[in-house]
Amino acid sequence: DAMVIQNPRYQVTQFGKPVTLSCSQTLNHNVMYWYQQKSSQAPKLLFHYYDKDFNNEADTPDNFQSRRPNTSFCFLDIRSPGLGDAAMYLCATSTGTGGLTEAFFGQGTRLTVV
Amino acid sequence: AQRVTQPEKLLSVFKGAPVELKCNYSYSGSPELFWYVQYSRQRLQLLLRHISRESIKGFTADLNKGETSFHLKKPFAQEEDSAMYYCALQSGGSYIPTFGRGTSLIVHP
Repeated sequence: DAMVIQNPRYQVTQFGKPVTLSCSQTLNHNVMYWYQQKSSQAPKLLFHYYDKDFNNEADTPDNFQSRRPNTSFCFLDIRSPGLGDAAMYLCATSTGTGGLTEAFFGQGTRLTVV
Repeated sequence: AQRVTQPEKLLSVFKGAPVELKCNYSYSGSPELFWYVQYSRQRLQLLLRHISRESIKGFTADLNKGETSFHLKKPFAQEEDSAMYYCALQSGGSYIPTFGRGTSLIVHP
């Protein structure tokens, strides 16, 4: 089945130790998004790619970076994780063809910072 | 700036009872509204979108521009409806959803 796959499902990292979360898709969608979701809060968009064009949200900390080497893969790099970065990280894709387009989500990666 | 508000963190009902999950939005233009659902241990997925005006799994939602609301309703809740429900808005022509914080629906037998 075509889908969005996030690895790993659970990630434990040490305070200050760089960590990378990965996302892949078989939908051939133009857009890939990264959302951060903390407990009982709305998913918050960190950034997204439209094809190779990177779009950062204004309030996304510099500590968060992203790479999209090809259509299928997108990575979230956290350069120096702090305790406040512990959250669920959601990857999503869409065709990006306008306001009616739906987002397709992966199952998320739960990040714990110790 | 656009914003989505889901005032209820938790909604608990008994099987067969009517359900209404509230969603209010703020956006000055013409919004596209969606409801997403996340069942236990599953990914977030689209339930319905306002433009389709369809009933999915017995759920409907009507966009009320006057009240800036897009409440999700079902006349008779089932146990399998237990899940997290997220309301989302996409501003006119945008492919970027803004989500509410979600409402956890629990349907008791």
